[in-house]
Amino acid sequence: QVQLAQSGTEVRKPGASVKISCQASGYTFTTYYMQWVRQAPGHGLEWMGMINPQIGSTAYSQAFRGRVTLTSDTSTSTVYLQLSSLRSEDTAVYYCGRSPYGDYVLDWGQGTLVSVSS
Amino acid sequence: QSVLTQPPSVSGAPGQTITIFCTGSSSNIGAGYDVHWYKQLPRTAPKLLLYGTNKRPSGVPDRFSGTKSGTSASLAITGLQAEDEADYYCQAYDSSLSGSVFGGGTKLTVL
Repeated sequence: QVQLAQSGTEVRKPGASVKISCQASGYTFTTYYMQWVRQAPGHGLEWMGMINPQIGSTAYSQAFRGRVTLTSDTSTSTVYLQLSSLRSEDTAVYYCGRSPYGDYVLDWGQGTLVSVSS
Repeated sequence: QSVLTQPPSVSGAPGQTITIFCTGSSSNIGAGYDVHWYKQLPRTAPKLLLYGTNKRPSGVPDRFSGTKSGTSASLAITGLQAEDEADYYCQAYDSSLSGSVFGGGTKLTVL
């Protein structure tokens, strides 16, 4: 069955960077986009961006442009999200999600908590 | 302030029908882009409920349906059950932002 296994909790100080991973299994990795969505405590879902793992093309939310980088490694079926210049408002659970056409998310990872605190 | 506007909360008694609206603009729903809906239980990842405005993934009961008109979309749940109590989110592509956007979410309480 499809599984998206995300890396574990990360704790960072303001100004630092974080890189979290999402390893896919149970389907052909290169035939689906991967979206990234985050959810701050007590808040709603926020779209961050997506990547086409086959060709590496990306699209980012304007809210994160310049701070977020999505990459993929087809040899390990893993997608990475790197977020830089972290601030306390970036404290959130970050989800990856398999997306057939880059529009909706069909399957979700379990989420990765990123905590930013001095 | 979300690009897609949802009511913060709705409620209904078991067996009743509720509707959650998602209001957008001419650059997203009004431009003809599909709307997708998700259900999220506390402390869990969201789950796809409807895609392409009114299509149900395998396993989603037909008590859930979606429509779209103009710059708004709606999710209807008939025969409300206790297990339907959750947060619901709409999502659509926005051409002016060149990316996807979510509604602010609606908390459904089953009385």
